Amino acid sequence: QQPVQSPQAVILREGEDAVINCSSSKALYSVHWYRQKHGEAPVFLMILLKGGEQKGHEKISASFNEKKQQSSLYLTASQLSYSGTYFCGTERGSGNTPLVFGKGTRLSVIA
Amino acid sequence: EPEVTQTPSHQVTQMGQEVILRCVPISNHLYFYWYRQILGQKVEFLVSFYNNEISEKSEIFDDQFSVERPDGSNFTLKIRSTKLEDSAMYFCASSVGQGNTEAFFGQGTRLTVV
Repeated sequence: QQPVQSPQAVILREGEDAVINCSSSKALYSVHWYRQKHGEAPVFLMILLKGGEQKGHEKISASFNEKKQQSSLYLTASQLSYSGTYFCGTERGSGNTPLVFGKGTRLSVIA
Repeated sequence: EPEVTQTPSHQVTQMGQEVILRCVPISNHLYFYWYRQILGQKVEFLVSFYNNEISEKSEIFDDQFSVERPDGSNFTLKIRSTKLEDSAMYFCASSVGQGNTEAFFGQGTRLTVV
């Protein structure tokens, strides 16, 4: 069962913040975040493994609420280079299984 | 930096033909995957491979698909009789472990079935 992402798309001006949400109807063991630029492969951003865990990558951070079965990706002071499609991935089965990805959130940062 | 490499980068084939997509995973990785992405859509899991056998496969991975690790480095995806709807970007990925470790993606093979 694939995770559900929201919003589907967002447009930001440079310097603005955004939040991308990822939720699942089943128990989550981990959440993976990837960014894909047009015509390129998905690039790993971070994994969150524990409930309530927060991680950061440049000005991009994420939280994982295991009880609510959801994760949020926070992009602060966005840069043009942040443009792309963000996918969250959750494990296909009950832990230690391949990822299934949400439909993605298309982020466009404009000057 | 080690990377997953895929060949060819583009493949055009006629409907009904067989295609083989090739991947060289990162050398110390143990888990290998194929994903597919139809233009503008999400990345869909096809199959995972571990210890020389399929460990999981999705509903998409039907009898027309097969995977093989013919030698110590290559990992291939064969589509036996291609259909128009097989047109997509196919990504190979590999990881040291599964689930709680990062998966590294190759640059993909764009398959066009005409």
